[in-house]
This record gives sequence, C-alpha cells and structure tokens, in this order.
Amino acid sequence: AQKITQTQPGMFVQEKEAVTLDCTYDTSDQSYGLFWYKQPSSGEMIFLIYQGSYDEQNATEGRYSLNFQKARKSANLVISASQLGDSAMYFCAMSPFFLRSSNTGKLIFGQGTTLQVKP
Amino acid sequence: DGGITQSPKYLFRKEGQNVTLSCEQNLNHDAMYWYRQDPGQGLRLIYYSQIVNDFQKGDIAEGYSVSREKKESFPLTVTSAQKNPTAFYLCASRGEVASGEKETQYFGPGTRLLVL
Repeated sequence: AQKITQTQPGMFVQEKEAVTLDCTYDTSDQSYGLFWYKQPSSGEMIFLIYQGSYDEQNATEGRYSLNFQKARKSANLVISASQLGDSAMYFCAMSPFFLRSSNTGKLIFGQGTTLQVKP
Repeated sequence: DGGITQSPKYLFRKEGQNVTLSCEQNLNHDAMYWYRQDPGQGLRLIYYSQIVNDFQKGDIAEGYSVSREKKESFPLTVTSAQKNPTAFYLCASRGEVASGEKETQYFGPGTRLLVL
C-alpha cells in the first residue's frame, strides 16, 4: 500500500534560520512523483516543489529544496532563511505509477506539519 | 488570469439536504479532482475525472456524486447519505500527462461545508 508519513505534527523555527520538514513514503512502484504543498490559514494549497523518482539531482525552487534519499524512501523539505510568511501547514504528497499510462494523477497526502516561524 | 475557482466559499447544509459545490478551471486541464480535508488532517480523494464524461471513485466516495459534462467544470454534490459532511473541500486540476513532464495538481481556494 502507498503511504506518506510526516512524523512532526508541529515545528518552530527562528526567523532567518533553515528548517527541515520530514517526509517518508512507502510504495512498491519504481516510478513515482513526490510533491510538497503549503497551506496557509486561508486554506488554499500552494504547490512548492516536485521530485521525480528518476531524477538524479535534488529539486530546488528558490528557498525550497527537497532532500531526496531514494534508498531510505525519504523526501524532506528544506526551507532556507525562514520568513514570517512561511508559517503554515506543509503537506508531503506522492503520485504513484508516475509517467505510466496507468497513472491517474491521484495524490496521496501525509498528515501535514505545522510550521511556526518566530520573529 | 488562469486558475481554479470554487464557490461558494462557505456553505451550510440542513439535515437531509443535498448541496452542490462548484469547481471551474480555465487552465485547459484534462484531469480534475475533489478532495476532502478534516481539521488537522491531510487530504483524502473523493472523486476524480481524467476526461469529459468520465469519472472514477476515490477513497471516500460514499455519500458524494459528481458530473463532468464540460472540460472546465467538475461539480461535487454532497448527498443526504453523507452522514458527516462537515469539512473543507478542495478541487484540483492537472494537465495532460506526457512522458518526462512534471504533473502538478493546482488547487482552488476551497469550500467550507457546515451542517446546521
């Protein structure tokens, strides 16, 4: 069964410091995509970063980077130079059977991690 | 501007009543999805549609129904059979799958459904 686990219900970080949000996944498929979304208190889901299972390099998007360790089945999100506006809930998600004709694009989400940035 | 709109922002349902949540996208995306989010939880898939006039059940489809008569629209009906409908409902869409292409789901702003 495919599953996403986020073990940190809540995290605090000081403004301007870096923070790592943990995500581990379980899948038997060799082809999958991993995503991180941010959900502020308004409720909208904002796409942050994506990593394909066959990508050799770790993904980066501005202050966001994804620390992908395939053998350990982990896809941790690193936010550098935290800002007050980064305070939100963060979700890790997986799309199984990626890049295959059987792919429906369904996303499997973790329970989320609430990040609070302290001034 | 291209994007996904959901309406209404808040919806109140009386017991025994069916209510319909609207989701419209102008991104020319083929696939659309409905998710439910309970407080402090992740998202769970209700229904999805990969093409017009076709849709599939997700993990928690009981008590819900959908239609996909137009590419840009994917309304969700919460029926009276759904005994615990209070939740935040999010609609998403995704472009055509192509080998080597990123496929990211983009979400609408959501609808909060409350039972009176």
